[in-house]
Amino acid sequence: SYVLTQPPSVSAAPGKTARITCGGDNIGSKSVHWYQQKPGQAPVLVVYDDSDRPSGIPERFSGSNSGDTATLTISSVEAGDEADYYCQVWDRSDEHRVFGGGTKVTVL
Amino acid sequence: EVQLVETGGGMEQPGGSLRLTCAASGFILSVYEMSWLRQSPGKGLEWLAYISTAGNTIYYADSVKGRFTISRDNAKNSLYLQMSGLRAEDTAIYYCARESSSSLGGAAFDVWGRGTMVSVSS
Repeated sequence: SYVLTQPPSVSAAPGKTARITCGGDNIGSKSVHWYQQKPGQAPVLVVYDDSDRPSGIPERFSGSNSGDTATLTISSVEAGDEADYYCQVWDRSDEHRVFGGGTKVTVL
Repeated sequence: EVQLVETGGGMEQPGGSLRLTCAASGFILSVYEMSWLRQSPGKGLEWLAYISTAGNTIYYADSVKGRFTISRDNAKNSLYLQMSGLRAEDTAIYYCARESSSSLGGAAFDVWGRGTMVSVSS
């Protein structure tokens, strides 16, 4: 089955940029979705189809995907961005929905 | 307001069964593909099962295949997860989620319920 690899943690100072990677074999050929999950809450979709944002998600959240790595970029990081972030793809070979292990973002 | 509400969680002994229900409101369930997912305490997200709009196409994660059954009743705007042969490792928060109709790549979960806790212990 398809495997997605994320770093366990990423940190950034307020106002700086946080980048979260999601590695997978030729992930650039798949559509990657990203979720934000704050403690005690359900996940929220922040980026879908590599780089699209759902309504209500700030432009500070952006995504890219190429080769073996997809990236979620959070610009001008704010304290409220502290959360766990998960990448996810649809593996069409077996129709499974696959998540990365998650990355904890800490705002310094 | 678009909303999903899961119910039916609780404590169960190993080998037991539980039936989870996900009630949809604020949108027409019948036009959306749906999934169940879970999150074990302190762990990441795990997709469990998918069901097509009409309920005639279903997929399961290997971890629950043969033990869990996903179903839906569009007339009642409800999604279900029948869980049997429960194990300690099934202890988790269980979420239902809607697959986005906006995603061209497919399988983006744009609406989530708040989850229901299932604990399996003797």
